[in-house]
Amino acid sequence: GQSLEQPSEVTAVEGAIVQINCTYQTSGFYGLSWYQQHDGGAPTFLSYNGLDGLEETGRFSSFLSRSDSYGYLLLQELQMKDSASYFCAVRRGKLIFGQGTTLQVKP
Amino acid sequence: DTAVSQTPKYLVTQMGNDKSIKCEQNLGHDTMYWYKQDSKKFLKIMFSYNNKELIINETVPNRFSPKSPDKAHLNLHINSLELGDSAVYFCASSPPGLENEQYFGPGTRLTVT
Repeated sequence: GQSLEQPSEVTAVEGAIVQINCTYQTSGFYGLSWYQQHDGGAPTFLSYNGLDGLEETGRFSSFLSRSDSYGYLLLQELQMKDSASYFCAVRRGKLIFGQGTTLQVKP
Repeated sequence: DTAVSQTPKYLVTQMGNDKSIKCEQNLGHDTMYWYKQDSKKFLKIMFSYNNKELIINETVPNRFSPKSPDKAHLNLHINSLELGDSAVYFCASSPPGLENEQYFGPGTRLTVT
C-alpha cells in the first residue's frame, strides 16, 4: 500500500526558513513531488525529486532520501504570499497525495 | 493563455440531478486527469486518460462517467447526484513522460443540496 505523512500545520514568520517534512511508505516508487495550493485555488506544481539529493528552485528547495523514505520542502526568505497548503505526492502508477501541510506566515 | 480550463466554476444542484463538468487543456499534453478534493483538502485521483484512452479508473461509483472526445478535452458526467458528491473537482494534465508534473485547472466547486 501507499501512505504519506506530513505535519498538518506549520507557522513561521516572514523572512524565516521553514521545512515541511514528508515520510512515505509505498511499494515501488517513482519520485516525490511537491505542490502548493492557496485557499480557493488550484494545486500548482513546485518541484520533483526523482533521485536522492537536493533540488533548488529559487527560494524553494526539495530533498529526497529514498533509503530513509523521507523528503522535505524547504522554503527560505518566507513571504506572506507563501501562506498556503503544501502537498507531497508520490507516483505509483498514479499520483498519490499526502494530506497537506497548511503553512501560515505571520508578519 | 495556455492553461487547463474548467466549466463551470461553481455548481449548485439538488440530489438526484445529473450534471456535467467540462475540461479543456491547450498545453498539448497527452494525459488528463480528474481529481476530487474533499472538505479536508484530501486530493484523490478519480480517472486518468491518455490520448483519449482510459488508463486509471479508481474505485469511483459508476454514477461518475468520464468522456474524452479528443486528447485536449476530458469531461465528467455525474448521474443521480448525492450529498456526498459535494467537493471540489479538479481537472489536470501532464506532459508526456512527466506524470509527476501535473497542471491543474481552477476547479469546480460542486454543492449538492
